[in-house]
Amino acid sequence: GDSVTQMEGPVTLSEEAFLTINCTYTATGYPSLFWYVQYPGEGLQLLLKATKADDKGSNKGFEATYRKETTSFHLEKGSVQVSDSAVYFCAFAMDSNYQLIWGAGTKLIIKP
Amino acid sequence: KAGVTQTPRYLIKTRGQQVTLSCSPISGHRSVSWYQQTPGQGLQFLFEYFSETQRNKGNFPGRFSGRQFSNSRSEMNVSTLELGDSALYLCASRPLVGLAFFGQGTRLTVV
Repeated sequence: GDSVTQMEGPVTLSEEAFLTINCTYTATGYPSLFWYVQYPGEGLQLLLKATKADDKGSNKGFEATYRKETTSFHLEKGSVQVSDSAVYFCAFAMDSNYQLIWGAGTKLIIKP
Repeated sequence: KAGVTQTPRYLIKTRGQQVTLSCSPISGHRSVSWYQQTPGQGLQFLFEYFSETQRNKGNFPGRFSGRQFSNSRSEMNVSTLELGDSALYLCASRPLVGLAFFGQGTRLTVV
């Protein structure tokens, strides 16, 4: 069935390190792909999205590229900050009804 | 434009009690979805309502129910609470076609 597999956390990095959080999906068809972020004590916020193959979503220094051939949507950032500490969720939705299928979330801890 | 509003933010209940959580979507959004988030199970979809009708349902027992009113506000009810129901309950609203926006959640603790 449809599913999202995310890198297990927590991921602990030092400030200014390079970040990659892996995400792969299994879906029938070609979904839209999303990354959501949840800061401590908050709900989820959309971080970035991509709606077709080879699209690159970007926001706040984060980027992810829709790779159809590897069914992946890895999240990257060149230089993380302490304020990036949060839980990151990868998700997808088929355009027909936009119901989101979620990954388990990856907790990111950035140390100063 | 006001965001998704969930009330209350925090709640403590005793086993066996029932609880009702409320979600007011963004104005104009007709779809409201509910999720349960726990450290062990992650984010799990409960159900989605659209125009007062349940459109999708996750794999939760019948103790979990919901409804949506004509103004798109939604309530979620959990009866006969169990310790394992302790979680952050998130509500998300979206327009007919578009992205989901989340509220800050209701933190339910069952003691």
